[in-house]
Amino acid sequence: GAVVSQHPSRVICKSGTSVKIECRSLDFQATTMFWYRQFPKQSLMLMATSNEGSKATYEQGVEKDKFLINHASLTLSTLTVTSAHPEDSSFYICSANRKNYGYTFGSGTRLTVV
Amino acid sequence: AQSVTQPDIHITVSEGASLELRCNYSYGATPYLFWYVQSPGQGLQLLLKYFSGDTLVQGIKGFEAEFKRSQSSFNLRKPSVHWSDAAEYFCAVGDYNQGGKLIFGQGTELSVKP
Repeated sequence: GAVVSQHPSRVICKSGTSVKIECRSLDFQATTMFWYRQFPKQSLMLMATSNEGSKATYEQGVEKDKFLINHASLTLSTLTVTSAHPEDSSFYICSANRKNYGYTFGSGTRLTVV
Repeated sequence: AQSVTQPDIHITVSEGASLELRCNYSYGATPYLFWYVQSPGQGLQLLLKYFSGDTLVQGIKGFEAEFKRSQSSFNLRKPSVHWSDAAEYFCAVGDYNQGGKLIFGQGTELSVKP
């Protein structure tokens, strides 16, 4: 199969702190992973494409210094929300692409900044 | 530019009735098309995908979709809806084989009446 594990599933943090979200491909190697953000009752908006061993590619309007992406291995990408503020509260979902399986999504992380 | 349109934000059907969710896309090359389902607070589950070949695609949970190039559509259908089908449905287009990003439609919320 093609399984993607995302942790944590829920996190509450104080305003001004940083939060790291992990996305792991459990049974395959993913040279490319994708990070999405979803507001309540809305669609998924692509934030960035994470490339193993190189810099992430950010979509227009996404602050790369705020949303740090690291793809240090073929099975792990991390998204760090730096100096989080309440407006960063959202549902974050990662995805990995495996040939012949399509895009597989993690279960998402609900971030609440208080 | 790639785009996906799901004209219906919310649809309500009676249990046992048939269902069709609409999806139109704009894509410069041969599209790779997907339908995903999302339950509240959860990640996305792949229902079916179209890469090439037979334009009628069978998926999980009794869903099917038909690719119509002339209409730029990829509508999702199910002959008899079950209460457990109530969820958010997303159509997406992507350049899968090139490791490309996935673009989502706005989503259609399905409610099922007893």
